[in-house]
Amino acid sequence: NAGVMQNPRHLVRRRGQEARLRCSPMKGHSHVYWYRQLPEEGLKFMVYLQKENIIDESGMPKERFSAEFPKEGPSILRIQQVVRGDSAAYFCASSLDRGHYNEQFFGPGTRLTVL
Amino acid sequence: SQQGEEDPQALSIQEGENATMNCSYKTSINNLQWYRQNSGRGLVHLILIRSNEREKHSGRLRVTLDTSKKSSSLLITASRAADTASYFCGSYSGGGADGLTFGKGTHLIIQP
Repeated sequence: NAGVMQNPRHLVRRRGQEARLRCSPMKGHSHVYWYRQLPEEGLKFMVYLQKENIIDESGMPKERFSAEFPKEGPSILRIQQVVRGDSAAYFCASSLDRGHYNEQFFGPGTRLTVL
Repeated sequence: SQQGEEDPQALSIQEGENATMNCSYKTSINNLQWYRQNSGRGLVHLILIRSNEREKHSGRLRVTLDTSKKSSSLLITASRAADTASYFCGSYSGGGADGLTFGKGTHLIIQP
């Protein structure tokens, strides 16, 4: 009964490189959410996806950030041309149904460090 | 104040005592969810309380919800050193947004 899985757990990138973060939801869950957490802060919602669709990207920065959740495989959060301000912990959550009525279960996070 | 704001920011108590944390939110909710986060780790789901519920229990945890005051509280009874963590409440900010909104959390320290 695996929970939400994220990899890598730690990622180091130099400024200008690309970062790819992967998330596999809990078995049977088709709703995925990405959050970002800066040090000493709460989590900030970025994007909500269902299989093959972005439903709500109201928290996503307009440039350099993109997300996908293909029919097969994990959800991917992609950050192009990373800058130091992108250094944060990125968490993925999944739910059985749309989150307003269901628990969101979180993965262990990916800690991105931009040098 | 922001949606899902926890209070106090930090709380230090002796092992065995009870710990109470509060959360305020601004817009109408369908449910409110409490989470625990150990240092450097992900969030662990504790309790979901629906808007038509006033109180919910899970082991040593008790959550209350007052929709008239737009507030919730989390009570941990008979605290243990392992309860040391940050606690967050998550709620939806309305407008159809699907992401939970969290405050900065309450950092709870249990002194042995």
